[in-house]
Amino acid sequence: AQRVTQPEKLLSVFKGAPVELKCNYSYSGSPELFWYVQYSRQRLQLLLRHISRESIKGFTADLNKGETSFHLKKPFAQEEDSAMYYCALNRTGANSKLTFGKGITLSVRP
Amino acid sequence: EPEVTQTPSHQVTQMGQEVILRCVPISNHLYFYWYRQILGQKVEFLVSFYNNEISEKSEIFDDQFSVERPDGSNFTLKIRSTKLEDSAMYFCATLAGLAGVHETQYFGPGTRLLVL
Repeated sequence: AQRVTQPEKLLSVFKGAPVELKCNYSYSGSPELFWYVQYSRQRLQLLLRHISRESIKGFTADLNKGETSFHLKKPFAQEEDSAMYYCALNRTGANSKLTFGKGITLSVRP
Repeated sequence: EPEVTQTPSHQVTQMGQEVILRCVPISNHLYFYWYRQILGQKVEFLVSFYNNEISEKSEIFDDQFSVERPDGSNFTLKIRSTKLEDSAMYFCATLAGLAGVHETQYFGPGTRLLVL
């Protein structure tokens, strides 16, 4: 079974503070991990995926297979980062379903 | 940039009524999905569709639900006899399905369904 756990519901930080959004997963096979973001009144959109190993809008996430984690990090949060963030996984290379975590609301205060 | 569109954006219906939610995928995408999100809960997979047939479905997707792509463009989710617990945001997602390319699912804006 696939499972994604995002242990926190809300993270509130001041602008310029570091951010870490936690994600742990459970999957017996080889997973592909994603972070999706949903800004206010907008659709879910892909932020980044572990296979790309890139930084998007200053965010990075490293897949740690030993800890089965895929935490999302940004060294200096901006107000425009305020949004709902979802961690998700599916089977590597497959066109199969995404399994989502419950999501976390990031609030960046000025 | 092409986007997945969904209609209607909101629908209110009486319990027991049939509803049809519509999705227009990105052109040339081959894989289609429906997800739902009950208020305050996680986004849950309902069904995936490829080559005019269901490729995978969750335990949520019971006999009350059906999907089809009747005209080669719209991808629809039908709930035959709605229940109160069907109230949720329903998201359509599509994926190109290009072999050998790491892809992502593109989501529509959602349809908010309220069953009274």
